Amino acid sequence: KAGVTQTPRYLIKTRGQQVTLSCSPISGHRSVSWYQQTPGQGLQFLFEYFSETQRNKGNFPGRFSGRQFSNSRSEMNVSTLELGDSALYLCASSSSLAGGLNEQFFGPGTRLTVL
Amino acid sequence: GENVEQHPSTLSVQEGDSAVIKCTYSDSASNYFPWYKQELGKRPQLIIDIRSNVGEKKDQRIAVTLNKTAKHFSLHITETQPEDSAVYFCAAAGYSSASKIIFGSGTRLSIRP
Repeated sequence: KAGVTQTPRYLIKTRGQQVTLSCSPISGHRSVSWYQQTPGQGLQFLFEYFSETQRNKGNFPGRFSGRQFSNSRSEMNVSTLELGDSALYLCASSSSLAGGLNEQFFGPGTRLTVL
Repeated sequence: GENVEQHPSTLSVQEGDSAVIKCTYSDSASNYFPWYKQELGKRPQLIIDIRSNVGEKKDQRIAVTLNKTAKHFSLHITETQPEDSAVYFCAAAGYSSASKIIFGSGTRLSIRP
């Protein structure tokens, strides 16, 4: 099976702009989670989608949003970008109906730089 | 809210020695505890996990112990090798479909030759 893929791999934006990141899970996986990874904060949970519904949400402002399509592909959007949004954004897919109960398979990440 | 604390944040051990990383969690409903390894520039990958009905699990040089009463779990790596150098993340998750997985802040492990 092909692994989790994310596009684009690198992005450079300026403050105030918005960005959309894409994640394609492993075939058959219906759960997709998004994480923000920064050097000082580790892996911060953003949200999880299952069958096109947001099932869990972390403690991020409303500028961070996401969605999932019927083929389980997911997108996350960040509006009104701030310098502090510069990070590696990882998505992970899981086969479990209970979200994080089984192994999370991570994608390679999208490195976002906000200037 | 749910929280997972991980210590130490950095750890340096001599090649061949053992390394121990400890985590505590706050949500008593947690019952799945995975450990991920992230090498420099790569994605996190699961190395071992344990569920609450088990106190210890071992896979070759890696073992994880769980103390549900104290709400802490630990990763033990024996006979460390240079390729063990990486950042290790612990995590905790509940059982229900509404649960989410919470990661610790990571431990940077360096193996000295």
